[in-house]
Amino acid sequence: DVKVTQSSRYLVKRTGEKVFLECVQDMDHENMFWYRQDPGLGLRLIYFSYDVKMKEKGDIPEGYSVSREKKERFSLILESASTNQTSMYLCASSQHGGGSEQYFGPGTRLTVT
Amino acid sequence: SQQGEEDPQALSIQEGENATMNCSYKTSINNLQWYRQNSGRGLVHLILIRSNEREKHSGRLRVTLDTSKKSSSLLITASRAADTASYFCATKLSSGNTPLVFGKGTRLSVIA
Repeated sequence: DVKVTQSSRYLVKRTGEKVFLECVQDMDHENMFWYRQDPGLGLRLIYFSYDVKMKEKGDIPEGYSVSREKKERFSLILESASTNQTSMYLCASSQHGGGSEQYFGPGTRLTVT
Repeated sequence: SQQGEEDPQALSIQEGENATMNCSYKTSINNLQWYRQNSGRGLVHLILIRSNEREKHSGRLRVTLDTSKKSSSLLITASRAADTASYFCATKLSSGNTPLVFGKGTRLSVIA
């Protein structure tokens, strides 16, 4: 079974802190994705990566950056957390191409106070 | 604007009834996928239907795709309380290697 793990289920940070959200997949997938999910807004794509050291902006990249130094790991970085970044963050991976089936991690609920 | 839009936003049914959710989209697609999300968890892939397919089944799930109307429906037959979840459609545009675009979801409540 494909497994996508995220470093924390719940996280509380203060405004201005640098926040790292880690995502690891164990199936040698090419593609990895970061989404945020807010009530009434559905899933919105923040960043994605189709290969190691490659990254592409999604629909809402402002205030975020990413790192993919190894194929299995995709990190989301909030350089200076703000209260409007309080959200559920979901990581996903897929095998080939942008449109193949995605496997999701359990999510990290981040609260910025 | 949203590529995929689910309808209705929320649906409440009795156990044993069938549940139907719809998804409409705006531009040509390569495939359309349905996902389920239990409360506070990640999404789980249910089924993928390609643009040249009209209907697909998986257990109690039936998905149809009408490319002329740019719409899809997900039917869950003989629903159970465990089917209570949010259901999302996701579309892969036919042009370019673009990521999936997710709709906002339908919240299904199955009452025992």
